[in-house]
Amino acid sequence: NAGVTQTPKFQVLKTGQSMTLQCAQDMNHNSMYWYRQDPGMGLRLIYYSASEGTTDKGEVPNGYNVSRLNKREFSLRLESAAPSQTSVYFCASSGGTSQSYNEQFFGPGTRLTVL
Amino acid sequence: AQKITQTQPGMFVQEKEAVTLDCTYDTSDPSYGLFWYKQPSSGEMIFLIYQGSYDQQNATEGRYSLNFQKARKSANLVISASQLGDSAMYFCAMRGVNTNAGKSTFGDGTTLTVKP
Repeated sequence: NAGVTQTPKFQVLKTGQSMTLQCAQDMNHNSMYWYRQDPGMGLRLIYYSASEGTTDKGEVPNGYNVSRLNKREFSLRLESAAPSQTSVYFCASSGGTSQSYNEQFFGPGTRLTVL
Repeated sequence: AQKITQTQPGMFVQEKEAVTLDCTYDTSDPSYGLFWYKQPSSGEMIFLIYQGSYDQQNATEGRYSLNFQKARKSANLVISASQLGDSAMYFCAMRGVNTNAGKSTFGDGTTLTVKP
């Protein structure tokens, strides 16, 4: 059981470049999430997917798009990267539905730097 | 809207002593869950403990317990018998139902340092 995996672990982009962060979970969880963590701060929700085929905006969705490819995979795309998007990105998943209280399991994170 | 407030940016505790990390919250949801996570310097997020808003008893998990006071909207984490390995950042989080279904909100965290 790998849990939640994220690729890549590190990435450096130039302003204006695009990229996709990949996330996969093997726990058969319904819900998946993308967060960003800026230095010295807590996690802020970018987008989440309560179930396969649905996605919703979180607290800071501007500049990002997501795709819930199937039950296992949830990708995050930066269409035109900006220095303000320099952060550590975490993917997470949880069992049950959006109306259950199961804890979230987190991936190891992707450290993104935009120059 | 949901909000989590952690008022202690940093805390120190002597090894083997107990420590309380504060968390207050605000939400419009009548039903919600409260969580604590640990983030060591290596960066991973580790789930510690969960409390449901309608749970009658305070949650406990080993050396961790959650002091839940619903009327005060507080969900403090108590770590008993602190160990050097407890040194980390600790985050309080909540997730609601209805208007905030699925959305998770995290506090800014408390850095705990355990002194030998």
